[in-house]
Amino acid sequence: QQKVQQSPESLSVPEGGMASLNCTSSDRNFQYFWWYRQHSGEGPKALMSIFSDGDKKEGRFTAHLNKASLHVSLHIRDSQPSDSALYFCAARNTGYQNFYFGKGTSLTVIP
Amino acid sequence: EAAVTQSPRSKVAVTGGKVTLSCHQTNNHDYMYWYRQDTGHGLRLIHYSYVADSTEKGDIPDGYKASRPSQENFSLILELASLSQTAVYFCASSDWGYAEQFFGPGTRLTVL
Repeated sequence: QQKVQQSPESLSVPEGGMASLNCTSSDRNFQYFWWYRQHSGEGPKALMSIFSDGDKKEGRFTAHLNKASLHVSLHIRDSQPSDSALYFCAARNTGYQNFYFGKGTSLTVIP
Repeated sequence: EAAVTQSPRSKVAVTGGKVTLSCHQTNNHDYMYWYRQDTGHGLRLIHYSYVADSTEKGDIPDGYKASRPSQENFSLILELASLSQTAVYFCASSDWGYAEQFFGPGTRLTVL
C-alpha cells in the first residue's frame, strides 16, 4: 500500500494562476514533510519542508500542514512556465530512518 | 553549492550481467541514498547509508547490493541484472535524516 498519496496526478494551470497540490499519508505517525520538484531530465530538488501544523510561506510557494487529518498541501501563486515539473511529497515518521515519496503530481503551466 | 555526481549517466546492460552504478558527493554529508524511479511509482528507496562502511536496506532492496567505502562514495551493484531493473536511478545525500536531500542527475539503466 502506498504510504503517501498525491492528488491530482496531473494539473494544468494558466500562467499567473494558482496551482494547488495535495498529499495525504496513511500513517498517523508521519510528522515531517518535504516538497520536491523535478524538471524533465533532472534529479529532484527540494522546495521546502514543513514540520509544524499551519502555513509556511517561501516566496510564491506556500505549504500547509494539518497533522490531525494527515494532509499537506502546496500552493504555487503566480505560476510560471518554469514551474512546469513533477512535484513530489515526501513524508517521514520518527520511527523510520527515511522519507517515503509519493508518486508525484505533474504540473503544466500554460503560457 | 552541494554537489552529487553519478556515473555513468546512461548504461545498457545484458540480462544476467553485473552492473555497478557510482555516486560521489562533495557535500560532506553523512547520509547517502539510492532510489529508483519508474513511471507510475515515483521514487522508491533501495539502500541507504549513514556512515562509511555500513549500508542499510530500504524499501525495495531485493536484487541490489550497496557499498559505502568512504563518506564521499556510494555504489549500487546489480549482480545479476534483470529486465525488471530497467529504470532511472538517483543517488542523493543529506546532512541528517530529516534534512533536505540533494539529488544527483540520475543514471538511466536499460537491461536487455
